[in-house]
Amino acid sequence: GAGVSQSPSNKVTEKGKDVELRCDPISGHTALYWYRQSLGQGLEFLIYFQGNSAPDKSGLPSDRFSAERTGGSVSTLTIQRTQQEDSAVYLCASSLDGGGAGDTQYFGPGTRLTVL
Amino acid sequence: QKEVEQDPGPLSVPEGAIVSLNCTYSNSAFQYFMWYRQYSRKGPELLMYTYSSGNKEDGRFTAQVDKSSKYISLFIRDSQPSDSATYLCAMRKTSYDKVIFGPGTSLSVIP
Repeated sequence: GAGVSQSPSNKVTEKGKDVELRCDPISGHTALYWYRQSLGQGLEFLIYFQGNSAPDKSGLPSDRFSAERTGGSVSTLTIQRTQQEDSAVYLCASSLDGGGAGDTQYFGPGTRLTVL
Repeated sequence: QKEVEQDPGPLSVPEGAIVSLNCTYSNSAFQYFMWYRQYSRKGPELLMYTYSSGNKEDGRFTAQVDKSSKYISLFIRDSQPSDSATYLCAMRKTSYDKVIFGPGTSLSVIP
């Protein structure tokens, strides 16, 4: 079946503009994660949705970042008033139920965001 | 101090070599440990997972966890050029907690 998809694959924007990044998880997966990966860096946790529970937003770096997940499926990460330091690859992952030792996160290909 | 530390490399080895990749962590609450492989311009993919201390083997890959030392390792036997990638360790406190990743080690296996 289809894996996790993300759009756009690349986004170039000007400083101060708002951007929206989209993630379509694998059908039936209840958990969805957003990460940020800067050049040569590991994955920085941003936000985690698990079923109908309140999302874990502890990784969002500032109030310019927000995310929502509609209908338990598609998620949108919004960055307002983008700054150059927001330039990174934004990765989305989904997993079947978000827990358990063997619960596997499946990653999308990422959105490469460049803020000029 | 970051919660999870990992030597970024790059690590370059000849084909057939045994590779050892390591992570240290500071939070003793971590119980679930994972290794991901990430090829250039791709999302990470899960290689191995372990719960608590001990060893786990899967083909050419062996994962080890030493909770007393807060140290985890991934060994790759008979390394192949196709193993060239960035390897990220990851861990979580509970089975429903967020996953924390290390910065990754870049590995090149030279034919």
